[in-house]
Amino acid sequence: RKEVEQDPGPFNVPEGATVAFNCTYSNSASQSFFWYRQDCRKEPKLLMSVYSSGNEDGRFTAQLNRASQYISLLIRDSKLSDSATYLCVVMDYSGGGADGLTFGKGTHLIIQP
Amino acid sequence: NAGVTQTPKFRILKIGQSMTLQCAQDMNHNYMYWYRQDPGMGLKLIYYSVGAGITDKGEVPNGYNVSRSTTEDFPLRLELAAPSQTSVYFCASWVGADNEKLFFGSGTQLSVL
Repeated sequence: RKEVEQDPGPFNVPEGATVAFNCTYSNSASQSFFWYRQDCRKEPKLLMSVYSSGNEDGRFTAQLNRASQYISLLIRDSKLSDSATYLCVVMDYSGGGADGLTFGKGTHLIIQP
Repeated sequence: NAGVTQTPKFRILKIGQSMTLQCAQDMNHNYMYWYRQDPGMGLKLIYYSVGAGITDKGEVPNGYNVSRSTTEDFPLRLELAAPSQTSVYFCASWVGADNEKLFFGSGTQLSVL
């Protein structure tokens, strides 16, 4: 069974601070990785893809460590609007009828003024 | 493109009633999913489909049925509603290829009383 594990938090962080959280995955054959953001009672929305070389989008940096099978998300200069639940998604497109997706349960982030 | 369209947005059912949650996508995606999310919890996969005419059970299929007669539509049927089915339901679709994101509908908030 494929597993994706995240620390559920909550992470309580003062505004302006840097926060990082990880997501570990069990399937070494996993091929694509994403971070999604979910606000309360809303649908998850793509925050960023995670590439092997690491990638940055403004204040957000994502890293992939295939050897240790984890991905990370770093948020710099955190804003009140960053308060949300961050979901790790691991895709394994192997065809053959597999569902191909595994979600973590999410990490709850609260930015405090 | 409208993306993934889910209806209704809200519904209250009495115990034992039946209903169908509608989901449609106009992106010609092969993969479609139904998730439920209880308050404060992660997404749980109910059913998924990898193409028209093909459906399979996810983690929590009991009490639900699906069909996939076309690529576009993936309705979720509740036959005998129970209070345990009170949840937020999300439909999603995916093209089924590496580094391609998952698209979510806006969700259906269902209460069974």
